[in-house]
Amino acid sequence: KAGVTQTPRYLIKTRGQQVTLSCSPISGHRSVSWYQQTPGQGLQFLFEYFSETQRNKGNFPGRFSGRQFSNSRSEMNVSTLELGDSALYLCASSLKASGRAVEFFGPGTRLTVL
Amino acid sequence: DQQVKQNSPSLSVQEGRISILNCDYTNSMFDYFLWYKKYPAEGPTFLISISSIKDKNEDGRFTVFLNKSAKHLSLHIVPSQPGDSAVYFCAASSGSGSEKLVFGKGTKLTVNP
Repeated sequence: KAGVTQTPRYLIKTRGQQVTLSCSPISGHRSVSWYQQTPGQGLQFLFEYFSETQRNKGNFPGRFSGRQFSNSRSEMNVSTLELGDSALYLCASSLKASGRAVEFFGPGTRLTVL
Repeated sequence: DQQVKQNSPSLSVQEGRISILNCDYTNSMFDYFLWYKKYPAEGPTFLISISSIKDKNEDGRFTVFLNKSAKHLSLHIVPSQPGDSAVYFCAASSGSGSEKLVFGKGTKLTVNP
């Protein structure tokens, strides 16, 4: 079974631009979560989608948004990029929309904002 | 407010010895805990979990201990191997079904040959 895939793996943008990241979950997984990882900050939860509905949202500004399609694939969008948005963005999928379910992570998208 | 804390940013041990990684939490509603391991340029991979109804869970060289009264859990790796060198994240969730995983900031483990 293929794992979680994320595209692109690396991205360089400039301040003010917008970016869209893509995530394909493990086949059969309906829950997709997004996390931001920055040095020294661990993994900070952005949002979670289950069956095309946003179920949970972390403490991030409205510039960060996402969506999920009927095939469970998910996209994350960041508008008006700031230098502080430079981070590793991780997508995770799980079978259930529950904190008890193990989440399987993709390799991440490394975003650099110049 | 950091609900899951890993107070040691790094740990160095000799190959063959025991590695003990610690994690503290503040939310008494947390009842499910996981450890993830992360290598550079890869996403975190699930290692082991424990439910609050247990105080110990073992999987091969990895054992997780939970002390609910102290709101503390630890991951023991015995014996440690150089391939265990990675960043280890502790994560917790409550049983409401709608709460997501809350992660600590991670501990970088280095196992020296």
